[in-house]
Amino acid sequence: DAGITQSPRHKVTETGTPVTLRCHQTENHRYMYWYRQDPGHGLRLIHYSYGVKDTDKGEVSDGYSVSRSKTEDFLLTLESATSSQTSVYFCAISEYTGTSGPLDTQYFGPGTRLTVL
Amino acid sequence: GQQLNQSPQSMFIQEGEDVSMNCTSSSIFNTWLWYKQDPGEGPVLLIALYKAGELTSNGRLTAQFGITRKDSFLNISASIPSDVGIYFCAGQLSGTSGSRLTFGEGTQLTVNP
Repeated sequence: DAGITQSPRHKVTETGTPVTLRCHQTENHRYMYWYRQDPGHGLRLIHYSYGVKDTDKGEVSDGYSVSRSKTEDFLLTLESATSSQTSVYFCAISEYTGTSGPLDTQYFGPGTRLTVL
Repeated sequence: GQQLNQSPQSMFIQEGEDVSMNCTSSSIFNTWLWYKQDPGEGPVLLIALYKAGELTSNGRLTAQFGITRKDSFLNISASIPSDVGIYFCAGQLSGTSGSRLTFGEGTQLTVNP
């Protein structure tokens, strides 16, 4: 299994409060990704990072920000949580090589279940 | 954005039966991936396909990367109860911004002993 941990694994919070989710990897992979999973939508990309301090938006980035100050950590922040952000959040990692192959494949963490009341 | 059509959405089978599911896309990909997700866990990679036309096996699982690069199928032979879970296909495009995955909505597999 890829060395990916996510914390917390479960969180309940109230509307309007800030929330930060953490993804930690021990693989020294360059790329890290945040997805959300909702019924009927599968997994959708929120933000990703292609190196320390290098990040970009995915398809559902509104209401989320990210930071990556170290190779091993990728943080997802909800500045002011809303009920629509209740979801399961997954982190993934890959080591891009420029060509399609095993090191370019994404591996997922165990997920964080977030409930916004 | 790109969308993947994954079918069937759910399957209810008897232990020992074979299973087939597939994904189609309007766009081409340079990698097709199949993941399995158990309740409360993250998706786990089952099979990765890197070349059009490629046929790959992993134990009782066989998957193929369509020759048009717009589709893929996954077969499971002689199903067992631990095969229960949600199976996701994902098409991947690799570029300078990393690998971008597009997921199907999943196939929920139930295996009756």
